[in-house]
Amino acid sequence: EADIYQTPRYLVIGTGKKITLECSQTMGHDKMYWYQQDPGMELHLIHYSYGVNSTEKGDLSSESTVSRIRTEHFPLTLESARPSHTSQYLCASSELYEGAFFGQGTRLTVV
Amino acid sequence: AQSVTQPDIHITVSEGASLELRCNYSYGATPYLFWYVQSPGQGLQLLLKYFSGDTLVQGIKGFEAEFKRSQSSFNLRKPSVHWSDAAEYFCAVGAWGTGNQFYFGTGTSLTVIP
Repeated sequence: EADIYQTPRYLVIGTGKKITLECSQTMGHDKMYWYQQDPGMELHLIHYSYGVNSTEKGDLSSESTVSRIRTEHFPLTLESARPSHTSQYLCASSELYEGAFFGQGTRLTVV
Repeated sequence: AQSVTQPDIHITVSEGASLELRCNYSYGATPYLFWYVQSPGQGLQLLLKYFSGDTLVQGIKGFEAEFKRSQSSFNLRKPSVHWSDAAEYFCAVGAWGTGNQFYFGTGTSLTVIP
């Protein structure tokens, strides 16, 4: 079944650690997105990609980086995690006329 | 510039009552409009979408939405709310001509009381 997967679902990590949040989709979509969302709040776009080797920063400034080496894979990396990075991170993919399909999210806590 | 406004931050309805969640958009071209639902700790699930044609669209879980171009609105409705409908609801506009992005509203939190 076509889907979009995020791992891990929950992550608690110490300040200064490097982390990578994984996102994979099996729908063959070219466009993928990362959103940051604080509990009960709106979504903020932090990164997006139109396809392999294409990445752009979103509206919300973020210290994270992304890569798109394969169509199905769009990982997000924080080189040095800080408490201010504590949030929920949502990955999505889309194709024209289909809307965005979201993963379950990764809830990150930096202590 | 594209934007989506959801005027109601929080709505409380009784189970079995009807529901309408408001959404207004600002977009220069023909909008692609969506409604999503998010349960606590989960991702967003697509309820319904509008691209063209019939302005009343049906979605999953008994929801429908009506596109009104003259009012720049895309309100979500349900005739009879169930307790399981309690969640956060987001309206979004797809802007394909300017970066292929989605612009989300701030969300409406729905509480359902017995």
